[in-house]
Amino acid sequence: DAGVIQSPRHEVTEMGQEVTLRCKPISGHDYLFWYRQTMMRGLELLIYFNNNVPIDDSGMPEDRFSAKMPNASFSTLKIQPSEPRDSAVYFCASSWGQGFVEQYFGPGTRLTVT
Amino acid sequence: GENVEQHPSTLSVQEGDSAVIKCTYSDSASNYFPWYKQELGKGPQLIIDIRSNVGEKKDQRIAVTLNKTAKHFSLHITETQPEDSAVYFCAASRGNTPLVFGKGTRLSVIA
Repeated sequence: DAGVIQSPRHEVTEMGQEVTLRCKPISGHDYLFWYRQTMMRGLELLIYFNNNVPIDDSGMPEDRFSAKMPNASFSTLKIQPSEPRDSAVYFCASSWGQGFVEQYFGPGTRLTVT
Repeated sequence: GENVEQHPSTLSVQEGDSAVIKCTYSDSASNYFPWYKQELGKGPQLIIDIRSNVGEKKDQRIAVTLNKTAKHFSLHITETQPEDSAVYFCAASRGNTPLVFGKGTRLSVIA
């Protein structure tokens, strides 16, 4: 399997613009997680899905953040409007059957908002 | 909620020596303890994990030990190689609750 795929790998945008990050989980995995990593806060769970249904979005920092999973092989994380403090590396991870056990991470998207 | 402390924050070892990274957790109900390796510019990679029903698990040069009474677990890397240089994260979970990560240990293996 190719592993978790994320795109783009790097995104530079101006404050106020909409940003969409994309993720393709490992085939057959039924859990999908979005994380954000910063030096100050480490790895933070933003939201996770089970069988395409959002289960817990309590980690989403503000209403400017939204996530969707229209099918088992695709998810998006959208920030609208973006702000400089959103600059971070965003990871998608997936797992099968046991929720938070054996999560496999993608390569991440490095977002820079100027 | 769960709190995970990880030490040391940085570790330098000579190639061939062993490296040990330690984590403590606060939630006695946690029963799943993974370790992730993150290389520069890459995502965290699951390298080993342990469940609460065992005290030790090995996979070639890496091993993890768990002491449930003391609520701490450790990662041991033997015969370190330059390619082991990375940031290592421990985490804890009840299995059905989010992983709580330590702040990471930057390991440098000096050739």
